[in-house]
Amino acid sequence: DAKTTQPPSMDCAEGRAANLPCNHSTISGNEYVYWYRQIHSQGPQYIIHGLKNNETNEMASLIITEDRKSSTLILPHATLRDTAVYYCTGGTSYGKLTFGQGTILTVHP
Amino acid sequence: DTAVSQTPKYLVTQMGNDKSIKCEQNLGHDTMYWYKQDSKKFLKIMFSYNNKELIINETVPNRFSPKSPDKAHLNLHINSLELGDSAVYFCASSQGQLGNTIYFGEGSWLTVV
Repeated sequence: DAKTTQPPSMDCAEGRAANLPCNHSTISGNEYVYWYRQIHSQGPQYIIHGLKNNETNEMASLIITEDRKSSTLILPHATLRDTAVYYCTGGTSYGKLTFGQGTILTVHP
Repeated sequence: DTAVSQTPKYLVTQMGNDKSIKCEQNLGHDTMYWYKQDSKKFLKIMFSYNNKELIINETVPNRFSPKSPDKAHLNLHINSLELGDSAVYFCASSQGQLGNTIYFGEGSWLTVV
C-alpha cells in the first residue's frame, strides 16, 4: 500500500490555479492514484484518479510523473467553495484506499 | 437522490451497548466498504464486501460485524461499545475492479459515553 506525503496546508487566491502536490514513492505498479476532498467533515468527495497517464475531468487535472512517485492535482480556477482538505491516496484492488493526513487548502478572496 | 446513504447520521450511546449503522447504495455497485475516521482525521478501511462476500477485513476487532443482506446494503453492527469506538464511520461503494471510482456516504457520527 502506498504511503503518501502531502504538505499540511496551502493557500490559493480565488480564480487562480491551485496546484496540490503529493509524494507516493512507495506506490506499487498496479496501484492507482486517487484524489478526494473533504469539506466540513462531510463524506470524502471523489475528484479524479489515474494510473500512469495524466487525467482531466470537469473538476480537475491530475499530473503523474513518469516514475509514478509523485503527482499534482490542479484545480484550474479555484473558488471559495474549493476550500477543503485534499487527500491523495493509493488505491489497490477492491477499493482499499490508504489515506494520509491530507492538505488543507484555503482559497481566499 | 443520495447515492450512498447511511443511518443514523448521529448516534450517542453508552459503553457496553450494541448498535448498528445501516448503509444502502442505489448505484448498482457490487462492492461496498466501511471506513473509519478517528479524532485525528485519519481515514482507514475496515471492511470490503464484493457481491456480499467479505474481501477485506483490516484487523478490526470481532466486536464489529458487517452484514450484507444483498449487494445494495452493508450494515455495521458493533457489540459492547467502547469509548475508543467513537469516530465517524463512512460507508462507500464502487463497481468492483481495481481502478474504479469509489463513492462515499455522508458519514455516521458515533459517540460512546
